[in-house]
Amino acid sequence: SAVISQKPSRDICQRGTSLTIQCQVDSQVTMMFWYRQQPGQSLTLIATANQGSEATYESGFVIDKFPISRPNLTFSTLTVSNMSPEDSSIYLCSVAGAGGTGELFFGEGSRLTVL
Amino acid sequence: GENVEQHPSTLSVQEGDSAVIKCTYSDSASNYFPWYKQELGKRPQLIIDIRSNVGEKKDQRIAVTLNKTAKHFSLHITETQPEDSAVYFCAATDGGYQKVTFGIGTKLQVIP
Repeated sequence: SAVISQKPSRDICQRGTSLTIQCQVDSQVTMMFWYRQQPGQSLTLIATANQGSEATYESGFVIDKFPISRPNLTFSTLTVSNMSPEDSSIYLCSVAGAGGTGELFFGEGSRLTVL
Repeated sequence: GENVEQHPSTLSVQEGDSAVIKCTYSDSASNYFPWYKQELGKRPQLIIDIRSNVGEKKDQRIAVTLNKTAKHFSLHITETQPEDSAVYFCAATDGGYQKVTFGIGTKLQVIP
């Protein structure tokens, strides 16, 4: 299993500002995933972050809005830029289990409310 | 890309009854089908999974079945308990780079 710490756990932000979410894993992992979970909705993949290369973004998500850093094999950040109320969501960091089992482990999530 | 449909979106059962949640997928390349449970305010956690070379898997009160031909899989919970109340997500992936596509989720309420 993997232990994932995310911060902040929650925040209230003003429209037009940006917020960076941090994700720390207790072991080295090749890929880290960032998901968005809007209120009462499913989990939508924003991007996959690989160490040493640009993140791969899913359709509907762009780097200017959600820049990602991956400076080493245990850490990543996701920034939500120029926020609007529509960005109010839970953002979850995730990694795949070791050995290619397919299981995903999630952080506790960062609940952002944009006013 | 993969598309996963899940139903029902909400489900209420009496304690002790069974609950069934159904999902369909579109990509025949998908070969791994996990189920995640998300309790209120908590992170999603894997409860059971099945691979495409297996038709059924059971773990105590929960079981999952897979029909590859029809591209559908189901979660069965027997003898439901109040602590089973949560949102359940089905998912599918080809396991390649582990991009996982989730269903919309089913909110299960077990009534004591």
